[in-house]
Amino acid sequence: GAVVSQHPSRVICKSGTSVKIECRSLDFQATTMFWYRQFPKQSLMLMATSNEGSKATYEQGVEKDKFLINHASLTLSTLTVTSAHPEDSSFYICSARGGGNNQPQHFGDGTRLSIL
Amino acid sequence: AQKVTQAQTEISVVEKEDVTLDCVYETRDTTYYLFWYKQPPSGELVFLIRRNSFDEQNEISGRYSWNFQKSTSSFNFTITASQVVDSAVYFCALSEAGTGNQFYFGTGTSLTVIP
Repeated sequence: GAVVSQHPSRVICKSGTSVKIECRSLDFQATTMFWYRQFPKQSLMLMATSNEGSKATYEQGVEKDKFLINHASLTLSTLTVTSAHPEDSSFYICSARGGGNNQPQHFGDGTRLSIL
Repeated sequence: AQKVTQAQTEISVVEKEDVTLDCVYETRDTTYYLFWYKQPPSGELVFLIRRNSFDEQNEISGRYSWNFQKSTSSFNFTITASQVVDSAVYFCALSEAGTGNQFYFGTGTSLTVIP
């Protein structure tokens, strides 16, 4: 149980392209979803938290107009990197949680984004 | 200040050795939760264990065991008889009841098990 599917797993695209990443909870309802960014050999950096039907809460320093998050249903959240540039290249990973903070976050497999 | 400290950046052990990964946390909340996740080279994060602040009982799951000590604010993870498949980065995380959804990850410990 508690499977989170993230798609696509890898994206390579040209600078200026917008990229959408999907995060789905397959067998549970995710009241809260999280988006993280991870640079090589570093820890996960929380970018934003989204609750279904509400606007996402972004962490300090994360541009909300650059990283658009939509959490339209209890099983789907999307992250759109708008007009991506090489510095946006990174490993993006989502997680989903059903219930309160005592519940674990279940992670997707991540998306490796490479902007040329 | 770092809420979760994993002082060991990289560890290498020979297969079948035991290894302990350290995790020290900092919180003022009385209700909090501690987690361990495994991130193999393929990148996905695998949930290993959750512990709440009111349960200091140590836990064993196969070759994995966890030692939670509130007196030292530590939640250490031991792998017994390590195997090559245990090679991964391991993250310790803290979730505080007082800060809502916030999840604090440590910087991770990269474990390499040498055959």
